[in-house]
Amino acid sequence: EAGVAQSPRYKIIEKRQSVAFWCNPISGHATLYWYQQILGQGPKLLIQFQNNGVVDDSQLPKDRFSAERLKGVDSTLKIQPAKLEDSAVYLCASIPGTGRYEQYFGPGTRLTVT
Amino acid sequence: LAKTTQPISMDSYEGQEVNITCSHNNIATNDYITWYQQFPSQGPRFIIQGYKTKVTNEVASLFIPADRKSSTLSLPRVSLSDTAVYYCLVGGNQAGTALIFGKGTTLSVSS
Repeated sequence: EAGVAQSPRYKIIEKRQSVAFWCNPISGHATLYWYQQILGQGPKLLIQFQNNGVVDDSQLPKDRFSAERLKGVDSTLKIQPAKLEDSAVYLCASIPGTGRYEQYFGPGTRLTVT
Repeated sequence: LAKTTQPISMDSYEGQEVNITCSHNNIATNDYITWYQQFPSQGPRFIIQGYKTKVTNEVASLFIPADRKSSTLSLPRVSLSDTAVYYCLVGGNQAGTALIFGKGTTLSVSS
């Protein structure tokens, strides 16, 4: 089966600019996660979707970050305006559900804010 | 959500068995233990998951004592390609449960 797809793979922007990341989970996976991974640290959960509804966004900096999953399939994460400290890899993951809950991760988008 | 403690780094040689232990003293009754592997410039990859006793798959074994306050990931006969960061996570096994990643254990395998 195809894996989790993310684009772009790399993005360089200046601070105060906006940026968007796209994720297409594995077909049939109802739960989708966005993580932020800063160099040298483990992934930090930003937001979790179940179908097109938000399950957990407690760690999402809502003043600048937003995410949507309108049709319960692919998802977009946006940062507006970006700050230097947003430089990180943004990972998308999904889980099979139906008795299997291991997360399948995409390759990530490496964001550099200058 | 239960926190985990792992060694920051470990070194090994090719062909050796590597055991990485994770402490999770406040694990909840319905929490599962899951291990992921991450290579540079890639997303984490699921290795193994367990609830109690021992679980084995084609890649690794997971040992969980009766009190479940720790777990040990065992990698048999490691190779250079096993050099990676290994994360131990504990959490509920329901779709609505988030998991917290720690800093992981960086395993370096030498020839």
